[in-house]
Amino acid sequence: NAGVTQTPKFRVLKTGQSMTLLCAQDMNHEYMYWYRQDPGMGLRLIHYSVGEGTTAKGEVPDGYNVSRLKKQNFLLGLESAAPSQTSVYFCASSEEYQPQHFGDGTRLSIL
Amino acid sequence: DQQVKQNSPSLSVQEGRISILNCDYTNSMFDYFLWYKKYPAEGPTFLISISSIKDKNEDGRFTVFLNKSAKHLSLHIVPSQPGDSAVYFCAASDSGTYKYIFGTGTRLKVLA
Repeated sequence: NAGVTQTPKFRVLKTGQSMTLLCAQDMNHEYMYWYRQDPGMGLRLIHYSVGEGTTAKGEVPDGYNVSRLKKQNFLLGLESAAPSQTSVYFCASSEEYQPQHFGDGTRLSIL
Repeated sequence: DQQVKQNSPSLSVQEGRISILNCDYTNSMFDYFLWYKKYPAEGPTFLISISSIKDKNEDGRFTVFLNKSAKHLSLHIVPSQPGDSAVYFCAASDSGTYKYIFGTGTRLKVLA
């Protein structure tokens, strides 16, 4: 049982490039989340989804887009990467009123 | 505006003693609170939770206390072990929004 899997684990981008981070969960969870972790800032919610086909904005949504076309996948897109988006990105999934299960993160550097 | 605050960035405790990690929140709508532990290069893992209808929840060496009037929760680890050395995040949720808001984390170091 893999739980929550994030792809890729590491990536270096140049400013202005685009990329998509993939999150896949095999627990049939309804809810999925994208967070970023920065030093001294904790985990900040970017976007989340409460079911297939739905998305909603979190605390820091600007510069990111998401899609949840299949229940098990939640994609995070950066259309035009900026150095301020250098961070570690975590995906999580859960059922209603239950603790979240996290992936191991994607370390993204933007030069 | 930080809705969930962990004011101590780090804490060192001797092995076998009690570790107390604190968390404050500002949003009175929060009704579900969690603690996560995070090791380097891994994702956070769930440790213990408490709903707003309780003031204490215990699981082995870990106990979470909730003081709703003070908007404060704490995690007690007794006895502390070197393997407990990690970053601990508290999180809070408003069941009406499905969002979880995290604190900035406290790095616990348990000294052998």
